[in-house]
Amino acid sequence: DTGVSQDPRHKITKRGQNVTFRCDPISEHNRLYWYRQTLGQGPEFLTYFQNEAQLEKSRLLSDRFSAERPKGSFSTLEIQRTEQGDSAMYLCASRAGSSYNEQFFGPGTRLTVL
Amino acid sequence: AQTVTQSQPEMSVQEAETVTLSCTYDTSESDYYLFWYKQPPSRQMILVIRQEAYKQQNATENRFSVNFQKAAKSFSLKISDSQLGDAAMYFCAYRDEGGSQGNLIFGKGTKLSVKP
Repeated sequence: DTGVSQDPRHKITKRGQNVTFRCDPISEHNRLYWYRQTLGQGPEFLTYFQNEAQLEKSRLLSDRFSAERPKGSFSTLEIQRTEQGDSAMYLCASRAGSSYNEQFFGPGTRLTVL
Repeated sequence: AQTVTQSQPEMSVQEAETVTLSCTYDTSESDYYLFWYKQPPSRQMILVIRQEAYKQQNATENRFSVNFQKAAKSFSLKISDSQLGDAAMYFCAYRDEGGSQGNLIFGKGTKLSVKP
């Protein structure tokens, strides 16, 4: 399967702990996006990478959040000092460079902060 | 800032019937894309159909078609011959092309139920 993959699929953590999620995009896609989806809402944009460069960050991405994409391949999203409000589904999507191309989504990582 | 509004939190349709999901958006851009994504329960989001704003012709993909009204900023999805597998959350999404990085702006979604 050559789709977008995310790991882990589920994460339960205690408030104050750090968590890290991984996204493996479709291999030829140079653009990678992170979104957050809370219950009853549509996904909200968090950050965008083109190759290894992080080119855009939403104001939703507080200083407790950091994302990387070393070597322009997989990406990680780390949340430090988790809060209950961080509980959500974190979605990763990738896209090839052409304007016409759609974003392909991964299955998401569901985070529960106790 | 661009916004996307889906005014129907839930819709229901009888199998084999037709249903229309509504979406309106707000933008000052002239060059953009609109999308409908489907998110089945516990499964990943997949693209249903896309519309380029500069094209006047409404997009069609098999049983799925859109009614794109650019002046009214309306983008509805029609599902014909509804099937049980169509049951899912449907999200309308906007993406502008004028210098942005191409991130999607989503509505809150419409939950579609299909009755056998």
